[in-house]
Amino acid sequence: GAVVSQHPSWVICKSGTSVKIECRSLDFQATTMFWYRQFPKQSLMLMATSNEGSKATYEQGVEKDKFLINHASLTLSTLTVTSAHPEDSSFYICSATMGPLELYSNQPQHFGDGTRLSIL
Amino acid sequence: AQKVTQAQTEISVVEKEDVTLDCVYETRDTTYYLFWYKQPPSGELVFLIRRNSFDEQNEISGRYSWNFQKSTSSFNFTITASQVVDSAVYFCALSEGDTPLVFGKGTRLSVIA
Repeated sequence: GAVVSQHPSWVICKSGTSVKIECRSLDFQATTMFWYRQFPKQSLMLMATSNEGSKATYEQGVEKDKFLINHASLTLSTLTVTSAHPEDSSFYICSATMGPLELYSNQPQHFGDGTRLSIL
Repeated sequence: AQKVTQAQTEISVVEKEDVTLDCVYETRDTTYYLFWYKQPPSGELVFLIRRNSFDEQNEISGRYSWNFQKSTSSFNFTITASQVVDSAVYFCALSEGDTPLVFGKGTRLSVIA
């Protein structure tokens, strides 16, 4: 159980294109989803936290107009990289949690397999 | 503020050697959770273990073992009899209750046959 599907797994596109990445919880309702970014050979950095039905909370230094996050349902959050440029090329990973219900569970956050974004 | 330090950037060992990956953390909370994840070259994060701050018992799972010491704020990870398939980047992470995970910079482990 607790599977998170992230799509697409790999995308290559031209500079200036907007790219949408989907994160779905397949067998549970995710009250909260997190978006992380990982540059090559670096750690995962939290970009934003999104709760279903409300605006995402962005970490300091993350442009909310650049990285649009929508968490319209309890099973789907999307990250749209608007007008992507080569410096946005990175590995994006989402994670989902049932929230306080999982506070004492062994694995409170469930990660997707990530999306490799390459902007030419 | 939360912080996780993995001082070892890269480690290279010969197959069958034991290897310990270090993790030191900082937090002001008395309740917190520590994690280890494995990230193979394919990129996905593989959950290995979660420990809460009230449970200092060491844990062993097959060739993996973890040493949690609150006195030194460390949560070290040991792989015994390493194998080539253990080659990956390993991340230590910290969460205070239901806050997002804060990851260390990771340790890249290369196991050579």
